[in-house]
Parts: sequence; C-alpha cells; structure tokens
Amino acid sequence: QQQVKQSPQSLIVQKGGISIINCAYENTAFDYFPWYQQFPGKGPALLIAIRPDVSEKKEGRFTISFNKSAKQFSLHIMDSQPGDSATYFCAAQRRRGSARQLTFGSGTQLTVLP
Amino acid sequence: EAQVTQNPRYLITVTGKKLTVTCSQNMNHEYMSWYRQDPGLGLRQIYYSMNVEVTDKGDVPEGYKVSRKEKRNFPLILESPSPNQTSLYFCASCRLMGGVTGELFFGEGSRLTVL
Repeated sequence: QQQVKQSPQSLIVQKGGISIINCAYENTAFDYFPWYQQFPGKGPALLIAIRPDVSEKKEGRFTISFNKSAKQFSLHIMDSQPGDSATYFCAAQRRRGSARQLTFGSGTQLTVLP
Repeated sequence: EAQVTQNPRYLITVTGKKLTVTCSQNMNHEYMSWYRQDPGLGLRQIYYSMNVEVTDKGDVPEGYKVSRKEKRNFPLILESPSPNQTSLYFCASCRLMGGVTGELFFGEGSRLTVL
C-alpha cells in the first residue's frame, strides 16, 4: 500500500525549462510535506518543505504548491539546470504513537539536458 | 563536520550469513532510523529509535534487528540474510523538538547484495 504516490517516475527537461513533479496522498493525518533531493552515490538531503496551512512555498528556483482539498502537492523547478539532475522524493509526515513517521514517495529521476 | 557514517558502503554476502551494518552520527541527534531504497518503491522505513534503548518497527521490519545502546550508534543487524534483502540501505538521524522530528540527515548508503 503506497501512501504517497509520486509521478512521473522519470523526467527529462531541457536546460532553462520547468520541471514539475507531482505527489498525492490519502491519509489526512499527514501534516508536514518535505521534498528530498538525492544525487548519485549520496544519501537524500532535504530540499524544501511545506505545512498544509500554506498553499505555496518558494526557495530560490524551487517551489512547492500544495492543494489540501485535492490532497496533492507538487515541486516546481524553474530555470532547470544540469546540476539539478538528481532523484527527487516527496514525503509526508504524520504522528505514529509517540513518534512521527515520514513516508516517502517512489522517487522521480530528473535529467536536465544541457 | 556534521555527518552520518555508515559501514560498510558495499557488501556482497551469502544467504544465512549474519551481518551488521553500522551507523554513527556526530550531531547528538535523538532520533535515528534505517531505510531501504528499492527501484520503484522509494525509501521504506525499517526501524527507528527515539532515543537510547528506545526502538520501534517501521513499515518493513521483517528480517532485521536493531539496537540503540549509545546515542550516536544505531546498527542494523541481518541475522539470516536472504536474497530479498538485497537493497540500498540508508541510516538517517535528526533532532527531536517536542517529539517532532526535524530535518533528516542521511548517510551515504550501504549497498548490500545477498547471493
């Protein structure tokens, strides 16, 4: 059972273009939505995150758009660069007992062509 | 340098031969966790620990054990590895702020092949 569905699985974009990755969730208990970026041979690293009380968060060329009613959120990378080529994971966090659990999407492999 | 260190980074073993993947963090984080990464499945949580001597199962704990005897270390133990445990494993840690987990810091991964 995949609680966070991510698409597309892979994405190829020209330099300067916009990359868009989408995620959807079912569990309304999720209350924190980060995106992680992973370069080959490295562990994932936090890129940007949003809470459901806002509809958009922007950090430089990276923007999260959040639609609470549709239970969807997306990552937009403006002016995509070859250095952005990586695997991107969306995630959603919820309380689980005394802890909080982070559930990841399946990942999107982004290739930005020079 | 703040980091999460995993060892070994690469390991090929045979079915049934016990192995341990070590994880150590130098950031004094309370929370530590193990994930496995498989194509098309993303990162799935195996076990996590909120603090020393406090561990709990994640989503895919079968076939794995963990221990948290010291705050900085969180080893992953495969008592009797099987080929379906062939995967890329990540250890991660973060601060706990009022019980809420913050940004996860990941190690560089351990690629395990079980023949």
